[in-house]
Amino acid sequence: GAVVSQHPSWVICKSGTSVKIECRSLDFQATTMFWYRQFPKQSLMLMATSNEGSKATYEQGVEKDKFLINHASLTLSTLTVTSAHPEDSSFYICSASPASGGSYNEQFFGPGTRLTVL
Amino acid sequence: AQRVTQPEKLLSVFKGAPVELKCNYSYSGSPELFWYVQYSRQRLQLLLRHISRESIKGFTADLNKGETSFHLKKPFAQEEDSAMYYCALRPSGGSNYKLTFGKGTLLTVNP
Repeated sequence: GAVVSQHPSWVICKSGTSVKIECRSLDFQATTMFWYRQFPKQSLMLMATSNEGSKATYEQGVEKDKFLINHASLTLSTLTVTSAHPEDSSFYICSASPASGGSYNEQFFGPGTRLTVL
Repeated sequence: AQRVTQPEKLLSVFKGAPVELKCNYSYSGSPELFWYVQYSRQRLQLLLRHISRESIKGFTADLNKGETSFHLKKPFAQEEDSAMYYCALRPSGGSNYKLTFGKGTLLTVNP
């Protein structure tokens, strides 16, 4: 089956630093990747939709300058949390949709990245 | 706007009992409905989707457009069914459209 990986799986950083999270589709090409944020025991909140070769589309209330998304290839999207603060601590999850699209194609989810900002 | 409501945050049943996880949605167009499951310390994975009309791990879900519901059911719950379940919706037309998730229901199946 299709596999999506994320790196790192967890990261601890100091307040004010920037952190980059990678999302890779390992065995398929993904024209679209999605970035979610999940608070403990809560649902996934979509942050942005990332399309290969174009600018990401951010959901209302998500600061695009704070959460920089780059989708430079069909297998890699990155999320950079700039000038991180403790309130950015969360579980970040990406998902990827195969390039072929279509109703029967599902989104495949990565394992998530736990970010802790001290 | 699309919205998914899962009214039960927690649901606890005994092994062998029937279980129903409720999901209601709001969407003006033609939706695709999904159930995702997240077992402890594992990634989110697709359980089933309404267009497939399939039964996975004994679970079924029927889309009721009149009641705008997509409840997940299993006649005999097993301990290994204990997990977080999310109902999700996306517009019909392709996997590149964004999913909207409900808040999730934590199912606990007691021995």
